[in-house]
Amino acid sequence: GIQVEQSPPDLILQEGANSTLRCNFSDSVNNLQWFHQNPWGQLINLFYIPSGTKQNGRLSATTVATERYSLLYISSSQTTDSGVYFCAVGSSSGSARQLTFGSGTQLTVLP
Amino acid sequence: EAEVAQSPRYKITEKSQAVAFWCDPISGHATLYWYRQILGQGPELLVQFQDESVVDDSQLPKDRFSAERLKGVDSTLKIQPAELGDSAMYLCASSLAPGAEQYFGPGTRLTVT
Repeated sequence: GIQVEQSPPDLILQEGANSTLRCNFSDSVNNLQWFHQNPWGQLINLFYIPSGTKQNGRLSATTVATERYSLLYISSSQTTDSGVYFCAVGSSSGSARQLTFGSGTQLTVLP
Repeated sequence: EAEVAQSPRYKITEKSQAVAFWCDPISGHATLYWYRQILGQGPELLVQFQDESVVDDSQLPKDRFSAERLKGVDSTLKIQPAELGDSAMYLCASSLAPGAEQYFGPGTRLTVT
C-alpha cells in the first residue's frame, strides 16, 4: 500500500515563530488531508488539498502531486496550535479510497 | 454545522467482555469509515461502508470484530470478546463519496482491563 512519511516527528517553537511541516507519499493520490488532533483526540480538518495551494488564516498548505509531497505552513504560532498534526492520503489506485495516515508531527508552542 | 456523532465517548471494560460503539455520520454522507488509533500512532482503517455495503474490511480482525450499517445511515462496531490489546481510540468518519473529504467524530476511547 501507499507509504506516508511526516517530518519532523517533534517540533518545539516559541510563540510567534513560523514552522513548516512536511508530508511525503509514495504513490499518486486523489485525496490529501491535513488534520490537527486536539488534546481530547478529535481530528480537526485543516485542509483538503490533493493538489495546489490553499490558505486559511495563519495556516496554508501546498501539495505538489507530481513530486509526491505536501507542506503545511503555520505562521505566527500560538500556544493553541500545540498538538499533533497528521497528513493523510488516499491512493488513486483501487476503489475503496480510504485514507492512509502518517505518524504525525507533535508540535509544542511555548509561551 | 453538521458533525459526526459517536457514543460512548469513553468505555472501560474487562477482558473477555463484549463492547459496542455507535456512529451517526453527517446527513447525506454515503461513505462511512471506522478507524482505530493506538496511542502515539496515526489512525488505521478497520472497515469502510458505501451505503449499507462493506467496501473494505481487510484490516478488521473478523474473529472478534464485527461492523454493520443496516439502513445505510448509522453504524455499530462490536468487539467480542475484548482483549487487552484492543485498548485504543476508535474513530468514525464519513464523506459524501469515496475519495471526498472525510470528517471525523470525537471518537470512543476504549480501555480494556
